[in-house]
Amino acid sequence: DAGVTQSPTHLIKTRGQHVTLRCSPISGHKSVSWYQQVLGQGPQFIFQYYEKEERGRGNFPDRFSARQFPNYSSELNVNALLLGDSALYLCASSFGTAGTEQYFGPGTRLTVT
Amino acid sequence: AQSVTQLGSHVSVSEGALVLLRCNYSSSVPPYLFWYVQYPNQGLQLLLKYTSAATLVKGINGFEAEFKKSETSFHLTKPSAHMSDAAEYFCAVTAPGAAGNKLTFGGGTRVLVKP
Repeated sequence: DAGVTQSPTHLIKTRGQHVTLRCSPISGHKSVSWYQQVLGQGPQFIFQYYEKEERGRGNFPDRFSARQFPNYSSELNVNALLLGDSALYLCASSFGTAGTEQYFGPGTRLTVT
Repeated sequence: AQSVTQLGSHVSVSEGALVLLRCNYSSSVPPYLFWYVQYPNQGLQLLLKYTSAATLVKGINGFEAEFKKSETSFHLTKPSAHMSDAAEYFCAVTAPGAAGNKLTFGGGTRVLVKP
């Protein structure tokens, strides 16, 4: 079975631009979560979506938004990019919510110049 | 709110020696605890989880962890290190019923295995 997939693998953007990252969960999983991992740190929770509804939001500015589609795939959008947004963005899928295991994709490496 | 502290950002062990990675947590409710491993330029792979059943949890690749409520700890061990264990390890906590299934991670411990 395919694991969590993310696209693109890498991208480079300029300050002030907008970016869209994509994630496809494991087949049968209905929940997708997004995490930001800055170099040298642990991942930080951004969002969780379950059945197309936002179920949780971390301490990130409104420049960050996300959505989940009927096929349970998800997009993370970041507007007005800052240098500090440079990070590995990880998507995780799980069958349900509240304590179920989360399985991570390989991540998208975003560099903002 | 939950938090995780991993003692030691770097650990160096000899091949064949014991691997011990320390994790202490803070949680206002009984937690669920996880250990993940991250190889260079990859995502996170689940090693094992504690969800209030047995306090000694066995995971993949020969790793195990013991939940000690009195010490608020969930240390990860492996009796004999292998070169392939060189990676970064993250301890994470969540609360059952927490909105959003949010995982709170520690800062990570990078393991170096010496031949």
